[in-house]
Amino acid sequence: EDQVTQSPEALRLQEGESSSLNCSYTVSGLRGLFWYRQDPGKGPEFLFTLYSAGEEKEKERLKATLTKKESFLHITAPKPEDSATYLCAVTDGGNQFYFGTGTSLTVIP
Amino acid sequence: EPEVTQTPSHQVTQMGQEVILRCVPISNHLYFYWYRQILGQKVEFLVSFYNNEISEKSEIFDDQFSVERPDGSNFTLKIRSTKLEDSAMYFCASVMGGSNYGYTFGSGTRLTVV
Repeated sequence: EDQVTQSPEALRLQEGESSSLNCSYTVSGLRGLFWYRQDPGKGPEFLFTLYSAGEEKEKERLKATLTKKESFLHITAPKPEDSATYLCAVTDGGNQFYFGTGTSLTVIP
Repeated sequence: EPEVTQTPSHQVTQMGQEVILRCVPISNHLYFYWYRQILGQKVEFLVSFYNNEISEKSEIFDDQFSVERPDGSNFTLKIRSTKLEDSAMYFCASVMGGSNYGYTFGSGTRLTVV
């Protein structure tokens, strides 16, 4: 059973058009939810960690929020350089992360 | 900013050959990981390593795989007899604390088995 489901699989936005990416999770005893950015042929780049429902983190045009069942990555007024695949991962405190398949974001100038 | 360094960036090998993928984690980190990503698929956990021993491994990490931290700075993944299905990006990651904290990933090694 998938621990992490991300939607949509792909998203095309016009520059400046705000939107949200979704990550829903089923792991019990969530100890951390992580957002990463991945550029083609590169390793995941850490963005945020969220630990408890209601928590929010912000970085530039990105804002991550967490509820008991899902997380959202809100992108405000995106720019072409925000184009990447955004990965969500969770841990139950064990020794591994469970990743979703990612959302491929394309921002068109 | 400290980085996790992986070499080589790309390796092509014949099926059945042994490969060693190398990683230099961030110097004050204590936990080390290998993940892989088959093209178009999820990032998948292979193995975690702490205090000079494997702390957890996935079903993927069978007897063909091994890890070592030979000299206190390098962290290696060896695949003894490569198969076509081992073709993937292999990512090393490290973190100071445990898995409750965000890892730092390396840029990966693209392994192509022909």
